[in-house]
Formats: sequence, structure tokens, C-alpha cells
Amino acid sequence: QSALTQPPSVSGSPGQSVTISCTRASVPVGAYKYVSWYQQHPEKVPRLIIYDVTHRPSGVPDRFSGSQSGATATLTISGLLPEDEADYYCSSYGGKFTWVFGGGTKLTVL
Amino acid sequence: EVQLVESGGALVQPGGSLRLSCAASGFTFSSHWMHWVRQAPQRGLVWVSRIDRDGSTPSHADSVKGRFTISRDNANNILYLQMNSLRAEDTAVYYCVSGSRDRDFEFWGQGALVTVSS
Repeated sequence: QSALTQPPSVSGSPGQSVTISCTRASVPVGAYKYVSWYQQHPEKVPRLIIYDVTHRPSGVPDRFSGSQSGATATLTISGLLPEDEADYYCSSYGGKFTWVFGGGTKLTVL
Repeated sequence: EVQLVESGGALVQPGGSLRLSCAASGFTFSSHWMHWVRQAPQRGLVWVSRIDRDGSTPSHADSVKGRFTISRDNANNILYLQMNSLRAEDTAVYYCVSGSRDRDFEFWGQGALVTVSS
């Protein structure tokens, strides 16, 4: 089960944009179409915010967007709001009916 | 409304066993793959196990393979996780998870805390 690497932390000021990368070791993320992203506030249940690399579930603001280039998937949050401060996790199908999560990125809104 | 309610979390000694249950409602349980995802205290999310619609081809993370078994009861809409030979590193909140697409984690339960300690 390959690992997904995320930066431990990112930060931004309200109104700014931030990006969080998710890099898959050894196998390009593009080889697997099923990258998803999750937001988790402290002591709360994770919430799906992006699926299939670029798609947003209903109810997720369009400030959240996903993209992919080669072995790296990216979550972009534009127009940062204080309530965006949370932990963010990427996940990918790992083949052979296994899945893998990234280590998580703590977003601080300054 | 999709509801996933875990139960069975407890304090257990190393080497012990425990079975978690997840009662599902609000969707056609038998039509969807189901997963268990865990999160150790102050740590990240870790995928644990997945089971297909009829329970014929379960899969597990390497860290739990041979010790944990995922199963389901489609007649009663219940997902299980049998955990044997528990270790301190299995201490975590265990989430029952499902989704309409099977390939991501759309719906989450509130989690069940498993603590492995002597």
C-alpha cells in the first residue's frame, strides 16, 4: 500500500488562497482516478469535500477545488474563511481493494 | 438520511478481542461497499478494511491482516469488525464508512473508541 505525502501544515490569511499537495510515491496519482479529500475539524467526524480528483459533493462551497498533475493531487481553497481552519486529508484507491490516506495537513487561518 | 451508528468500543487488554458493530439506515445497505477507517489519538486517518456488497471479497490493511475480519449482515443492515490479538497500537476511534460511489468515504459514523491497554 503506497503512501501519500502531504505537507504537515499550511497557513493563509482570510481571503487568500492556499494549496495542499498530495503526492503518491512510486505510482502516479493519475494512474488512479479516485483521489478524494476530507476536512476534519477538531473533535469532529471527517467530511468529504472532493471526490474523483475534481468533483465536489453537494453542499461543499465552490471555494474548494481539486486538481491533479502527474503524481501530485492538489486541493485549493480560495477566499479563506476562519471556519476553514481544520485538518485536511487526501485519500486514494491503492489497488487490490485497498485504500490509503495521506498523513494530513493542518490549515491555520492567520 | 444516511445514519451509521457504531457500537462495541471498549477498553481491552493487549492480546484480547473485541467486535465492533455498525447499524446502518437511510440507504440500501446491501447495495454498497462498506469500510472501517480508524484514527489514533492526535493522529491521522488510516483505512482498515473494506467489504463488498455480498461480503464475498473482504480486504484489509497490512497492519491488521490476519487479526481483523470485516463482515456484514445484509438482512439486518449491520457491519462488523472482529478484532483479535489486539495491540496497543490498535488504540483508535474506529469509524464505519460508506458511500454512493464505493470508491470514496462519503458517509461517516460518529466513531467507536477502542483502547488497548493493561
